[in-house]
Amino acid sequence: GAVVSQHPSWVICKSGTSVKIECRSLDFQATTMFWYRQFPKQSLMLMATSNEGSKATYEQGVEKDKFLINHASLTLSTLTVTSAHPEDSSFYICSARAPDETYEQYFGPGTRLTVT
Amino acid sequence: SQQGEEDPQALSIQEGENATMNCSYKTSINNLQWYRQNSGRGLVHLILIRSNEREKHSGRLRVTLDTSKKSSSLLITASRAADTASYFCATALSSNTGKLIFGQGTTLQVKP
Repeated sequence: GAVVSQHPSWVICKSGTSVKIECRSLDFQATTMFWYRQFPKQSLMLMATSNEGSKATYEQGVEKDKFLINHASLTLSTLTVTSAHPEDSSFYICSARAPDETYEQYFGPGTRLTVT
Repeated sequence: SQQGEEDPQALSIQEGENATMNCSYKTSINNLQWYRQNSGRGLVHLILIRSNEREKHSGRLRVTLDTSKKSSSLLITASRAADTASYFCATALSSNTGKLIFGQGTTLQVKP
């Protein structure tokens, strides 16, 4: 089955630094990937749609300069949280759209970010 | 933006009982999906029901969809302690963007 990995699985960083999270589709090519954020005991909030070879599409209220998304290849999308602050601490989850462009998505295991 | 609402927010039952969770949404959809998430973990896809379908089964799971009421329900029969998790509905909009909009989720606890 389709597998999506994320790296790292957890990261602790100091306030003001930047953190990069990778999302990889391991056994299929994904032209479209999605990034979600999940605060404790809350649901997933879609942050942006990552399209291979083009700029990401951000949801309303998500700062594109703070959350940099790069979809450099058909198997890799990265999310960089720039100048991280404690309020950016969250669980970040990526997903990749099924290759046949159906509505199925394959989710990564998530990355726990803690900003101190 | 989040468009789905789920109820109840939390549900606690005994092993062997059935669990029913409901989801409501606001706009036209292509399909509705249900996911499970164990605490601190990723999502597990459970079932997808298309807008032209009314009911779907998968093992102990039964999903219904009422597009006129813009609502869906997930029934887990003969629950097990291992079913303890958060359950989310997610709607795929009619426009083929591939985006999923998640509901608030229901936290299910199944007591052994």
